[in-house]
Amino acid sequence: EDQVTQSPEALRLQEGESSSLNCSYTVSGLRGLFWYRQDPGKGPEFLFTLYSAGEEKEKERLKATLTKKESFLHITAPKPEDSATYLCAVQAGDYKLSFGAGTTVTVRA
Amino acid sequence: DSGVTQTPKHLITATGQRVTLRCSPRSGDLSVYWYQQSLDQGLQFLIQYYNGEERAKGNILERFSAQQFPDLHSELNLSSLELGDSALYFCASSKGGQNYGYTFGSGTRLTVV
Repeated sequence: EDQVTQSPEALRLQEGESSSLNCSYTVSGLRGLFWYRQDPGKGPEFLFTLYSAGEEKEKERLKATLTKKESFLHITAPKPEDSATYLCAVQAGDYKLSFGAGTTVTVRA
Repeated sequence: DSGVTQTPKHLITATGQRVTLRCSPRSGDLSVYWYQQSLDQGLQFLIQYYNGEERAKGNILERFSAQQFPDLHSELNLSSLELGDSALYFCASSKGGQNYGYTFGSGTRLTVV
């Protein structure tokens, strides 16, 4: 069974204080690794898809990287509006996404 | 607006009752996925439909069922409701096939009292 573990569970940052979130995974036949952002009471919002080890993608202050066993989401110089729960998910042969529990990021001004 | 429409947004019902949640996928998407999100469980995959056919099943209870209609909208039926069924229920859609991510709706918050 696919396993996705995210750490830390919660992260409190000062505005401008860069940090990284970790997503480690165990899956047979990875088709893609996905990062989503979720605000309280709302649906997850797609951020990135990574397909192979060594791949990197960037969007504004966010950068996602992928190795054979884990992915990192780097937040550079975060702002309060980056506060959210960040979810990692893996997609295997049956196309469904298996999600981790998420990392809740709080950025203080 | 993600393009995935879920109704109703909120639902409060009593134990033992039955409810139906509705989802209209994004235009052009053939796959619909249902997920349950509770405070202590995170996002749990329930079931997937592709172009009207059931494609994959997750940890869906026997009291729950779903279907996808010819116009591609989907309904999730929850029966004999228990307090523990209180959660956010999300629908997501995709074009189907490999390597496509999902687009999520805004969810239905179900409260069982």
